[in-house]
Amino acid sequence: NAGVTQTPKFQVLKTGQSMTLQCAQDMNHNSMYWYRQDPGMGLRLIYYSASEGTTDKGEVPNGYNVSRLNKREFSLRLESAAPSQTSVYFCASSADRGRTEAFFGQGTRLTVV
Amino acid sequence: AQSVTQLGSHVSVSEGALVLLRCNYSSSVPPYLFWYVQYPNQGLQLLLKYTSAATLVKGINGFEAEFKKSETSFHLTKPSAHMSDAAEYFCAAHQAGTALIFGKGTTLSVSS
Repeated sequence: NAGVTQTPKFQVLKTGQSMTLQCAQDMNHNSMYWYRQDPGMGLRLIYYSASEGTTDKGEVPNGYNVSRLNKREFSLRLESAAPSQTSVYFCASSADRGRTEAFFGQGTRLTVV
Repeated sequence: AQSVTQLGSHVSVSEGALVLLRCNYSSSVPPYLFWYVQYPNQGLQLLLKYTSAATLVKGINGFEAEFKKSETSFHLTKPSAHMSDAAEYFCAAHQAGTALIFGKGTTLSVSS
C-alpha cells in the first residue's frame, strides 16, 4: 500500500532557486497538509487543503505556495529558496478535518545553501 | 487559537521503568487528540487517538493515554519501557474545521 508518497526524498538548492515538492495520496482523502519539521520546533503547518480546490494558510506560509491539483495531489512550491527554508518537509492526508488521523509521507530533506 | 503543549523536550528512563509523556491542550472545546511516534529518519505513525468514545485509550506497542477534561490533558503512558521505544513522540490536536496542530515533541531515551 503506497499511502502518502513524497518526492524527492532529498534536495539541495542554492539560495534563490525554485523547486516544487510533490505529494500524492491514494486513500481518497479529502484533506491534505504540508508541514515543516525543525529541531525543537515540532511540526509546523505551512498550508493545508480541506478539499479539492481549496487551500488555507497555516502557521508559517511565508515563502511558500501550494496547489491542490486534484483530490490525490498537493504540491508545495518554493519560488526563491532561502537558507531559513532548510528543513524536513512532510506531507500528510486525512479523511476529514476532525476525528480521523492523518497519514504521513516519509519526508523531504531540503538544504538551501 | 488552539495550541498543544508537551512538557519536557527530553525524557530519559531505564528499561522496564514507567514511561510518562505529558500533553496539554488549550481549547475550551475538547478537540480530537492524537499521539504520534517518529523513529529516526522516518515519517510519523499513529500510536493512538481520542475521539470521545472512551477516556482511556489503548494504542499500539503497549502505550495508552487518558483524556482528562478537567485538566485539559492527554498524557501518554507505558508501564514498562523497552529499548525499542526510544523515539520522538508528538501530541496533536484536531478540532473540526481546523487543521491538525502539533506540540513541539518529546524525545524519549531508554537506557539498559
